[in-house]
Amino acid sequence: KQEVTQIPAALSVPEGENLVLNCSFTDSAIYNLQWFRQDPGKGLTSLLLIQSSQREQTSGRLNASLDKSSGRSTLYIAASQPGDSATYLCAVGSGGGADGLTFGKGTHLIIQP
Amino acid sequence: NAGVTQTPKFRVLKTGQSMTLLCAQDMNHEYMYWYRQDPGMGLRLIHYSVGEGTTAKGEVPDGYNVSRLKKQNFLLGLESAAPSQTSVYFCASSPIWGRYTGELFFGEGSRLTVL
Repeated sequence: KQEVTQIPAALSVPEGENLVLNCSFTDSAIYNLQWFRQDPGKGLTSLLLIQSSQREQTSGRLNASLDKSSGRSTLYIAASQPGDSATYLCAVGSGGGADGLTFGKGTHLIIQP
Repeated sequence: NAGVTQTPKFRVLKTGQSMTLLCAQDMNHEYMYWYRQDPGMGLRLIHYSVGEGTTAKGEVPDGYNVSRLKKQNFLLGLESAAPSQTSVYFCASSPIWGRYTGELFFGEGSRLTVL
Protein backbone atom coordinates (compact mmCIF):
# COMPACT_ATOMS: atom_id res chain seq x y z
CA LYS A 1 0.00 0.00 0.00
CA GLN A 2 1.31 3.42 -1.00
CA GLU A 3 2.21 5.70 1.91
CA VAL A 4 2.91 9.41 1.51
CA THR A 5 4.78 11.40 4.14
CA GLN A 6 5.20 15.16 4.23
CA ILE A 7 7.89 16.89 6.23
CA PRO A 8 7.70 19.21 8.04
CA ALA A 9 4.14 19.10 9.36
CA ALA A 10 4.28 22.82 10.02
CA LEU A 11 6.62 25.62 9.02
CA SER A 12 6.77 29.31 9.87
CA VAL A 13 9.18 31.61 8.04
CA PRO A 14 9.61 35.37 7.52
CA GLU A 15 8.33 36.92 4.34
CA GLY A 16 10.81 36.89 1.45
CA GLU A 17 12.53 33.63 2.29
CA ASN A 18 12.86 30.76 -0.14
CA LEU A 19 11.57 27.49 1.26
CA VAL A 20 11.28 23.82 0.46
CA LEU A 21 8.48 21.42 1.35
CA ASN A 22 9.18 17.72 1.20
CA CYS A 23 7.09 14.74 0.16
CA SER A 24 8.18 11.10 0.20
CA PHE A 25 6.36 7.99 -1.00
CA THR A 26 7.00 4.30 -0.49
CA ASP A 27 6.08 2.79 -3.88
CA SER A 28 7.95 4.25 -6.85
CA ALA A 29 5.49 2.78 -9.39
CA ILE A 30 3.50 5.99 -9.78
CA TYR A 31 1.59 7.65 -12.63
CA ASN A 32 2.02 11.19 -11.40
CA LEU A 33 2.50 13.39 -8.35
CA GLN A 34 0.48 16.48 -7.62
CA TRP A 35 0.86 19.36 -5.19
CA PHE A 36 -2.29 21.00 -3.85
CA ARG A 37 -2.94 24.08 -1.78
CA GLN A 38 -5.70 24.23 0.83
CA ASP A 39 -6.80 27.46 2.47
CA PRO A 40 -8.66 27.32 5.81
CA GLY A 41 -12.27 26.26 5.33
CA LYS A 42 -11.78 25.74 1.62
CA GLY A 43 -11.29 22.91 -0.81
CA LEU A 44 -8.06 21.88 -2.51
CA THR A 45 -6.62 23.71 -5.48
CA SER A 46 -4.11 21.99 -7.74
CA LEU A 47 -0.79 23.82 -8.01
CA LEU A 48 1.49 21.56 -10.00
CA LEU A 49 1.24 18.13 -11.57
CA ILE A 50 4.32 16.09 -12.48
CA GLN A 51 3.90 13.05 -14.69
CA SER A 52 6.04 10.03 -13.88
CA SER A 53 8.22 10.68 -16.94
CA GLN A 54 8.97 14.26 -15.88
CA ARG A 55 11.55 15.59 -13.43
CA GLU A 56 10.03 18.95 -12.58
CA GLN A 57 7.29 21.48 -13.22
CA THR A 58 7.29 25.22 -12.67
CA SER A 59 4.54 27.77 -12.20
CA GLY A 60 5.52 31.29 -11.28
CA ARG A 61 7.38 31.20 -7.98
CA LEU A 62 6.67 27.51 -7.49
CA ASN A 63 8.86 24.65 -8.65
CA ALA A 64 8.13 21.01 -7.99
CA SER A 65 10.63 18.24 -8.58
CA LEU A 66 10.20 14.49 -8.71
CA ASP A 67 12.74 11.73 -8.11
CA LYS A 68 10.87 8.47 -8.60
CA SER A 69 13.80 6.23 -7.82
CA SER A 70 14.26 7.72 -4.37
CA GLY A 71 10.53 8.21 -3.79
CA ARG A 72 10.78 11.94 -3.20
CA SER A 73 9.33 15.22 -4.37
CA THR A 74 10.01 18.76 -3.28
CA LEU A 75 7.99 21.93 -3.65
CA TYR A 76 10.19 25.00 -3.80
CA ILE A 77 8.60 28.38 -3.09
CA ALA A 78 10.70 31.39 -4.01
CA ALA A 79 10.44 34.78 -2.35
CA SER A 80 7.61 33.74 -0.04
CA GLN A 81 4.69 36.10 0.61
CA PRO A 82 2.05 36.20 3.37
CA GLY A 83 -0.50 35.13 0.75
CA ASP A 84 1.38 31.83 0.44
CA SER A 85 0.19 30.89 3.93
CA ALA A 86 -1.87 27.72 3.57
CA THR A 87 -1.65 23.97 3.91
CA TYR A 88 0.18 22.24 1.08
CA LEU A 89 -0.69 18.65 0.26
CA CYS A 90 1.18 16.17 -1.84
CA ALA A 91 -0.79 13.46 -3.64
CA VAL A 92 0.68 10.48 -5.45
CA GLY A 93 -1.24 8.91 -8.30
CA SER A 94 -0.76 5.15 -8.52
CA GLY A 95 -3.79 4.17 -10.57
CA GLY A 96 -4.10 6.81 -13.26
CA GLY A 97 -7.17 8.47 -11.79
CA ALA A 98 -8.26 10.20 -8.60
CA ASP A 99 -9.40 6.81 -7.28
CA GLY A 100 -5.72 5.95 -7.23
CA LEU A 101 -4.56 9.06 -5.39
CA THR A 102 -2.85 8.79 -2.01
CA PHE A 103 -2.60 12.05 -0.09
CA GLY A 104 -0.04 13.11 2.45
CA LYS A 105 -1.17 14.80 5.64
CA GLY A 106 0.08 18.19 4.50
CA THR A 107 2.48 20.90 5.59
CA HIS A 108 0.90 23.88 7.32
CA LEU A 109 2.84 26.93 6.14
CA ILE A 110 2.78 30.36 7.77
CA ILE A 111 4.59 33.29 6.18
CA GLN A 112 5.21 36.03 8.72
CA PRO A 113 4.84 39.59 7.37
CA ASN B 1 -18.44 29.90 -12.29
CA ALA B 2 -19.99 27.45 -9.81
CA GLY B 3 -17.65 24.48 -10.40
CA VAL B 4 -18.26 21.92 -7.63
CA THR B 5 -20.91 22.85 -5.08
CA GLN B 6 -21.54 20.97 -1.85
CA THR B 7 -24.62 21.26 0.35
CA PRO B 8 -24.97 21.64 3.23
CA LYS B 9 -21.73 23.29 4.36
CA PHE B 10 -22.33 22.52 8.04
CA ARG B 11 -24.48 19.96 9.80
CA VAL B 12 -24.81 18.62 13.32
CA LEU B 13 -26.39 15.21 13.78
CA LYS B 14 -27.21 12.99 16.71
CA THR B 15 -25.95 9.42 16.74
CA GLY B 16 -28.27 7.22 14.70
CA GLN B 17 -29.72 9.96 12.54
CA SER B 18 -29.47 9.84 8.78
CA MET B 19 -28.55 12.49 6.28
CA THR B 20 -27.47 13.07 2.70
CA LEU B 21 -24.72 15.31 1.39
CA LEU B 22 -25.21 16.63 -2.12
CA CYS B 23 -22.44 17.36 -4.59
CA ALA B 24 -23.25 19.12 -7.84
CA GLN B 25 -20.86 19.94 -10.67
CA ASP B 26 -21.58 22.01 -13.74
CA MET B 27 -18.51 21.05 -15.79
CA ASN B 28 -20.00 17.93 -17.40
CA HIS B 29 -17.35 15.79 -15.72
CA GLU B 30 -17.58 12.01 -15.91
CA TYR B 31 -15.80 11.22 -12.66
CA MET B 32 -16.88 12.24 -9.19
CA TYR B 33 -15.42 11.43 -5.78
CA TRP B 34 -16.21 11.72 -2.09
CA TYR B 35 -13.34 12.13 0.39
CA ARG B 36 -13.19 12.67 4.12
CA GLN B 37 -10.50 14.72 5.80
CA ASP B 38 -9.60 14.11 9.43
CA PRO B 39 -6.85 15.71 11.52
CA GLY B 40 -3.67 13.70 11.25
CA MET B 41 -5.14 11.36 8.62
CA GLY B 42 -5.04 13.25 5.35
CA LEU B 43 -7.73 12.84 2.71
CA ARG B 44 -9.22 9.37 2.29
CA LEU B 45 -11.45 8.25 -0.56
CA ILE B 46 -14.89 7.02 0.51
CA HIS B 47 -16.65 6.24 -2.78
CA TYR B 48 -16.32 7.32 -6.36
CA SER B 49 -18.18 7.19 -9.66
CA VAL B 50 -16.87 6.90 -13.19
CA GLY B 51 -20.17 7.79 -14.79
CA GLU B 52 -23.90 8.20 -14.39
CA GLY B 53 -25.43 5.16 -12.73
CA THR B 54 -22.10 3.70 -11.56
CA THR B 55 -20.41 3.81 -8.17
CA ALA B 56 -17.44 2.09 -6.57
CA LYS B 57 -15.91 1.75 -3.10
CA GLY B 58 -12.86 3.64 -2.06
CA GLU B 59 -10.55 3.21 0.89
CA VAL B 60 -13.09 3.84 3.69
CA PRO B 61 -16.62 3.01 2.39
CA ASP B 62 -18.16 1.46 5.51
CA GLY B 63 -21.14 3.34 6.91
CA TYR B 64 -21.73 5.32 3.72
CA ASN B 65 -23.82 4.87 0.61
CA VAL B 66 -23.72 6.83 -2.62
CA SER B 67 -25.80 7.35 -5.72
CA ARG B 68 -25.15 8.94 -9.11
CA LEU B 69 -28.58 9.09 -10.74
CA LYS B 70 -27.69 12.19 -12.74
CA LYS B 71 -24.31 12.94 -14.25
CA GLN B 72 -24.01 16.26 -12.49
CA ASN B 73 -24.91 15.03 -9.01
CA PHE B 74 -23.21 12.66 -6.58
CA LEU B 75 -24.95 11.99 -3.27
CA LEU B 76 -23.31 10.69 -0.11
CA GLY B 77 -25.62 9.16 2.47
CA LEU B 78 -25.17 8.24 6.10
CA GLU B 79 -27.93 5.83 7.15
CA SER B 80 -27.10 5.76 10.86
CA ALA B 81 -24.55 8.40 11.81
CA ALA B 82 -21.82 7.57 14.32
CA PRO B 83 -19.42 9.91 16.16
CA SER B 84 -16.56 8.36 14.13
CA GLN B 85 -18.11 9.96 11.05
CA THR B 86 -17.46 13.45 12.40
CA SER B 87 -15.27 14.89 9.68
CA VAL B 88 -14.97 17.33 6.82
CA TYR B 89 -16.28 15.82 3.60
CA PHE B 90 -15.00 16.91 0.21
CA CYS B 91 -16.46 16.21 -3.17
CA ALA B 92 -14.31 16.36 -6.29
CA SER B 93 -14.83 15.87 -9.99
CA SER B 94 -12.65 15.35 -13.02
CA PRO B 95 -13.05 14.95 -16.78
CA ILE B 96 -12.28 11.60 -18.42
CA TRP B 97 -8.83 12.79 -19.41
CA GLY B 98 -8.24 13.77 -15.79
CA ARG B 99 -7.00 10.21 -15.26
CA TYR B 100 -3.97 11.20 -17.32
CA THR B 101 -3.68 14.94 -16.70
CA GLY B 102 -4.47 14.85 -12.99
CA GLU B 103 -7.17 17.53 -13.32
CA LEU B 104 -9.27 17.38 -10.20
CA PHE B 105 -11.67 20.03 -8.96
CA PHE B 106 -12.77 20.16 -5.33
CA GLY B 107 -15.78 21.61 -3.58
CA GLU B 108 -15.33 23.70 -0.45
CA GLY B 109 -16.25 20.95 1.94
CA SER B 110 -19.08 19.98 4.27
CA ARG B 111 -18.33 19.93 7.98
CA LEU B 112 -20.31 17.22 9.76
CA THR B 113 -20.43 16.75 13.52
CA VAL B 114 -22.08 13.69 15.02
CA LEU B 115 -22.90 13.98 18.72
